[in-house]
Amino acid sequence: NAGVMQNPRHLVRRRGQEARLRCSPMKGHSHVYWYRQLPEEGLKFMVYLQKENIIDESGMPKERFSAEFPKEGPSILRIQQVVRGDSAAYFCASSPPRDGRETQYFGPGTRLLVL
Amino acid sequence: AQKITQTQPGMFVQEKEAVTLDCTYDTSDQSYGLFWYKQPSSGEMIFLIYQGSYDEQNATEGRYSLNFQKARKSANLVISASQLGDSAMYFCAMPHRGGGNKLTFGTGTQLKVEL
Repeated sequence: NAGVMQNPRHLVRRRGQEARLRCSPMKGHSHVYWYRQLPEEGLKFMVYLQKENIIDESGMPKERFSAEFPKEGPSILRIQQVVRGDSAAYFCASSPPRDGRETQYFGPGTRLLVL
Repeated sequence: AQKITQTQPGMFVQEKEAVTLDCTYDTSDQSYGLFWYKQPSSGEMIFLIYQGSYDEQNATEGRYSLNFQKARKSANLVISASQLGDSAMYFCAMPHRGGGNKLTFGTGTQLKVEL
């Protein structure tokens, strides 16, 4: 059973460009979470999605950031008009639909560098 | 709101010895859980161990065990027989039950295993 897949692993963008980060959850997992890790810090929750629904986006910046998890295909975290402060590692996690403790399994992360 | 506190920014341990990484928490939930994750220098987040608040026994997974003291609101990770490969950042995390189980992370402890 393949783990959570994220691509690209590394992404370099210039200020003002768009960044698209992809996440494919583990097979059988229907819950996807996105977290951001700034240098030397812990992970911070951004958004929680189920198929075709955003359940909780309380951690998402109000502007430039959006997320989706379509019926088919991976979850996408989109950052428009990137700024240097967006440079971080972005992690996706997935969990099964109710296994009692709902362990979140993380992907390898996408390291975004904004020049 | 939930809060996770890890007071040890860095720890050193000699190979083959045991080490305890501290984690204290604050939550208003009656039922809750605690996770520990490992982040090696390669950057991925690896699930290590989970403790539920109503679990009667402390969780164990191989060389990892939790010293769970509910009255003190602490869930310390114990790594026995440390190995060089245990050198990594360790994060304690708690899911927010009313918030789709989004995780709140501590700031982490950097563990260095020495010969």
